[in-house]
Amino acid sequence: EVQLVESGGGLVQPGGSLRLSCAASGFTFRSYAMNWVRQAPGKGLEWLSYISGSGGSIFYADSVKGRFTISRDNAKNSLYLQINSLRAEDTAVYFCVREGDSGSFSVSWGQGTLVTVSS
Amino acid sequence: DFVMTQSPESLAVSLGERATINCKSSQSVLASSNNKNYLAWYQQKPGQPPKLLIYWASTRESGVPDRFSGSGSGTDFTLTISSLQAEDVAVYYCQQYYSTLYTFGQGTKLEIK
Repeated sequence: EVQLVESGGGLVQPGGSLRLSCAASGFTFRSYAMNWVRQAPGKGLEWLSYISGSGGSIFYADSVKGRFTISRDNAKNSLYLQINSLRAEDTAVYFCVREGDSGSFSVSWGQGTLVTVSS
Repeated sequence: DFVMTQSPESLAVSLGERATINCKSSQSVLASSNNKNYLAWYQQKPGQPPKLLIYWASTRESGVPDRFSGSGSGTDFTLTISSLQAEDVAVYYCQQYYSTLYTFGQGTKLEIK
């Protein structure tokens, strides 16, 4: 069974940094592209970043480019998101998402980790 | 950039009736190389992560009830629930994955009338 478990969220002051982690299991992690998607309280879904299975291709939404850094450690079956210069509008649940076998749709989602940016 | 616009924003349908949600892309998501539409639909219930329902615009994910169907091509797509059940109350999102800068629609909230 595919499992994605996010961690690293919490309360952080504006301007601070966080590193989110996603522990993957139940599939061959290195074979799949991964994404981060977030959802602000009461709002819709916002795609943030993509990383290929090898880590060689990376893309970001314009809204987070320069502040967010996606990475992965295939030896540890883990995905990461480094978030710098946090703003109030970054308050959201952050989801780790695995792509499908045959396309880039989001097949498997973690439960998410909540990041709250507030002083 | 691809902008995905869903309509309506909210919808109330009686149990057993048909529910229809629309999604319009600012650019075509139909790839000429394989004649596939890079469009997916998700269902999100309160307190849960989204769940994949439909991909390639009309292919139902394994385990999704056949009352859910997707249609459309190019820039205009529809998610149809043929006979609404109480457990279908949720927010539904479309997403394009044609561009690597994936984008979601704003969501449609489906309720029981």
